[in-house]
Amino acid sequence: DTAVSQTPKYLVTQMGNDKSIKCEQNLGHDTMYWYKQDSKKFLKIMFSYNNKELIINETVPNRFSPKSPDKAHLNLHINSLELGDSAVYFCASSQDAGEFYEQYFGPGTRLTVT
Amino acid sequence: AQKITQTQPGMFVQEKEAVTLDCTYDTSDPSYGLFWYKQPSSGEMIFLIYQGSYDQQNATEGRYSLNFQKARKSANLVISASQLGDSAMYFCAMRRNNYGQNFVFGPGTRLSVLP
Repeated sequence: DTAVSQTPKYLVTQMGNDKSIKCEQNLGHDTMYWYKQDSKKFLKIMFSYNNKELIINETVPNRFSPKSPDKAHLNLHINSLELGDSAVYFCASSQDAGEFYEQYFGPGTRLTVT
Repeated sequence: AQKITQTQPGMFVQEKEAVTLDCTYDTSDPSYGLFWYKQPSSGEMIFLIYQGSYDQQNATEGRYSLNFQKARKSANLVISASQLGDSAMYFCAMRRNNYGQNFVFGPGTRLSVLP
C-alpha cells in the first residue's frame, strides 16, 4: 500500500561512479518531483514531470538526468558522482501541477559518495 | 522570487502545551498556496495542513491549525496539546498558482517536546 516508493533506501558509492534511483507512485498522480535535501536539512527541488513531460528543471548539473517511462515512474540517473552529491534525495508526487495539491513524498534515498 | 523564512531553528515545548511555529513568506503573486510538512527523525516527509491565499478561514486539521495573516504574509503553524511524537523538523512551503511552479521550502524548525 506504499503510495510513493523509492529504491534503494541507502546508496554508498565511490566518486566517479554512475548510479540510479528509482521512484514509483501508485496514487494515480500526474506530477512527480525530485528533491535534494542537504546535510542542513534544506530541501530544494531538482525536477518536476507532468504526464511524462519535464516542466521544471532547476539549476542542477547535467550529470543528473531524470527519466519518466510512464506517469507512475520517475527515475533519477546520476553520472560521475561527486562528493557534493551526498545528500538525501526525495521523490514526490501530486495530483496535478497547476493546482494547490499537496505533495506526497517517498521515504528518501540517502546517497553517500566516498 | 518567492521565499520562505522560518526564524526559529529550534523550539522546545512541554508535553500537552500548545506551540506556534513561525513562517513568513515573500511573494508578489495574488494567488498561492501554503503548506506545512513534518519530518520526524525517521526521515519521511508528512503533509500536515494547507492554506490557500484566498481562503477566508484559517485551516485546521486535528491538533494542527494555521494562523494565516495575509497582510503580514505569515502562516504560522499552531500545534495544540503537544505530544512526544510531535518532536520533528517542521517545514513551511509555498506554491504559486502557475502551472509547473515548484514548491519553495523554508529552512525548517526543529521542535522538541519535553516530557
